[in-house]
Amino acid sequence: DTGVSQDPRHKITKRGQNVTFRCDPISEHNRLYWYRQTLGQGPEFLTYFQNEAQLEKSRLLSDRFSAERPKGSFSTLEIQRTEQGDSAMYLCASRRTGGRDEQYFGPGTRLTVT
Amino acid sequence: EDKVVQSPLSLVVHEGDTVTLNCSYEVTNFRSLLWYKQEKKAPTFLFMLTSSGIEKKSGRLSSILDKKELFSILNITATQTGDSAIYLCAPQTGANNLFFGTGTRLTVIP
Repeated sequence: DTGVSQDPRHKITKRGQNVTFRCDPISEHNRLYWYRQTLGQGPEFLTYFQNEAQLEKSRLLSDRFSAERPKGSFSTLEIQRTEQGDSAMYLCASRRTGGRDEQYFGPGTRLTVT
Repeated sequence: EDKVVQSPLSLVVHEGDTVTLNCSYEVTNFRSLLWYKQEKKAPTFLFMLTSSGIEKKSGRLSSILDKKELFSILNITATQTGDSAIYLCAPQTGANNLFFGTGTRLTVIP
């Protein structure tokens, strides 16, 4: 058990609907990352936060995606007007600044857009 | 453009065999290289390597990094069925995110 939790674990939605995922990192970790993983691929970086500041966003993160970490603890990832191509596993990871580089991953949220 | 290539893409071996998984990379602002194991869930951390020639060992698993030739290998000796998983290689860049390869799917047959 890595200590990173994500909710929900599975989400099925119809195309065009909005969805929101939540990630709770390990409590002392001030860096939080979002990745997306599709079948047969490794995780792809989407964005990361240091405390409440969003420091980097991948070009994969289209305008329909938004992430927040308002109090520097949990984070949310929202996808608006979902498309079938958004179907994937959304992984959250966390680590401490200044500590070792390894990121600890949560169990992921599997999104299916029908 | 950053690139990570893992080989082979998949591998089937019998219990007790030794396997070598390869990872070559080209990334900007390289900081370290991490190996993860992924079963039917999220990746779990195996190793982090920052310096060339330093072999990391954990039981039957070991890994080496060559920063000059830009590759790393992961060795697993005396494989067990529980080693069946996807093994992911991920250089960490100065931007602090991990750049994952597509992984090597290892299947260990009893």
